[in-house]
Amino acid sequence: DTEVTQTPKHLVMGMTNKKSLKCEQHMGHRAMYWYKQKAKKPPELMFVYSYEKLSINESVPSRFSPECPNSSLLNLHLHALQPEDSALYLCASSQDLDREKLFFGSGTQLSVL
Amino acid sequence: ELKVEQNPLFLSMQEGKNYTIYCNYSTTSDRLYWYRQDPGKSLESLFVLLSNGAVKQEGRLMASLDTKARLSTLHITAAVHDLSATYFCAEGGGADGLTFGKGTHLIIQP
Repeated sequence: DTEVTQTPKHLVMGMTNKKSLKCEQHMGHRAMYWYKQKAKKPPELMFVYSYEKLSINESVPSRFSPECPNSSLLNLHLHALQPEDSALYLCASSQDLDREKLFFGSGTQLSVL
Repeated sequence: ELKVEQNPLFLSMQEGKNYTIYCNYSTTSDRLYWYRQDPGKSLESLFVLLSNGAVKQEGRLMASLDTKARLSTLHITAAVHDLSATYFCAEGGGADGLTFGKGTHLIIQP
């Protein structure tokens, strides 16, 4: 299994909603990442988890809250988002932080109304 | 500040032609990555270049790395329509994650 699975594929939410994005991998990877990608732009790093501990938080607003319940799962909790947060949210994993080849999930296309 | 610069950002070419995408980066890293992204899709890893002078080929695509010049190239040989996509180079990694270039939007026309 060489896949990173993200759900849902599409999400529409209002600014007062609370929702969660989910990411799962069964490759035994110990590093997991959240990236945000706006249309026609490169992906931008949001969070890095290594061995289930948050390693990097790229000054992301607190309305985004990551969670890594175990080595296979990564969540991104969303609350009180703004329309400018609409983007493709990509999860990725790598064997560990020293082996940087990232495997990306198919992403969640998020629209905030 | 780590910078990764790609050029061109947009490329329209005919099938059967050859072309090269360039990627300059600002750090002393010896690792460089190339990804492909189709519209509305995720990123697919194409090449991982791990040392100076590394050259890798897959089908009509060939990537190389010159760490002294801080330059990587992605060469397309005898382009076909199926290669139309956006190509990103990326550098960094480890605890800092990857930093991506702006991407090269490639259109290959019959």
